[in-house]
Amino acid sequence: NAGVTQTPKFRVLKTGQSMTLLCAQDMNHEYMYWYRQDPGMGLRLIHYSVGEGTTAKGEVPDGYNVSRLKKQNFLLGLESAAPSQTSVYFCASRLGPGTGNQPQHFGDGTRLSIL
Amino acid sequence: ILNVEQSPQSLHVQEGDSTNFTCSFPSSNFYALHWYRWETAKSPEALFVMTLNGDEKKKGRISATLNTKEGYSYLYIKGSQPEDSATYLCAAVYNQGGKLIFGQGTELSVKP
Repeated sequence: NAGVTQTPKFRVLKTGQSMTLLCAQDMNHEYMYWYRQDPGMGLRLIHYSVGEGTTAKGEVPDGYNVSRLKKQNFLLGLESAAPSQTSVYFCASRLGPGTGNQPQHFGDGTRLSIL
Repeated sequence: ILNVEQSPQSLHVQEGDSTNFTCSFPSSNFYALHWYRWETAKSPEALFVMTLNGDEKKKGRISATLNTKEGYSYLYIKGSQPEDSATYLCAAVYNQGGKLIFGQGTELSVKP
């Protein structure tokens, strides 16, 4: 089973460029999440989605946009990349409503460097 | 703002030592506590999810306990091995479908 797949795995951008990170899950999960991981900061929630067509802001949403046009895909966009967005980005998914007692499944991460 | 705290931030032990670390969380409206193991350059992997006060779960040499009244969970590793070296994350959930609130993790290093 593929689980949660993130593409690309690694990318280098110049300041001001835009890009989209793709997260795909094949487990029919309702909930999907985008996190960033920085040294000493743990996992910080950027945006999340509780179902197809719905998105919500997390802890650190500024500079990012997301879309959930299909249930299996959750896209994270950087409109105008800044060096402060250099980070490792993780996507995760969970079954859905009433499943706080079920674990989240994580992708392998995307390492993004902004020069 | 809900704050989940883990201690210590890092831990260095010798192979064979037993160790434990703590996850503290606000107990009001608590629903579930998750533990994840996160190896460098890999994705976090679920270890345990606990919901009931007094819950105790075990997987091999790793076990965890939960106290929902006072808001803490302990993770124990018996006879640490170098392959146990990883960051251990806990996360609390505050309603059935709520977001996970992650702690900053405890980084464990086990030297042979």
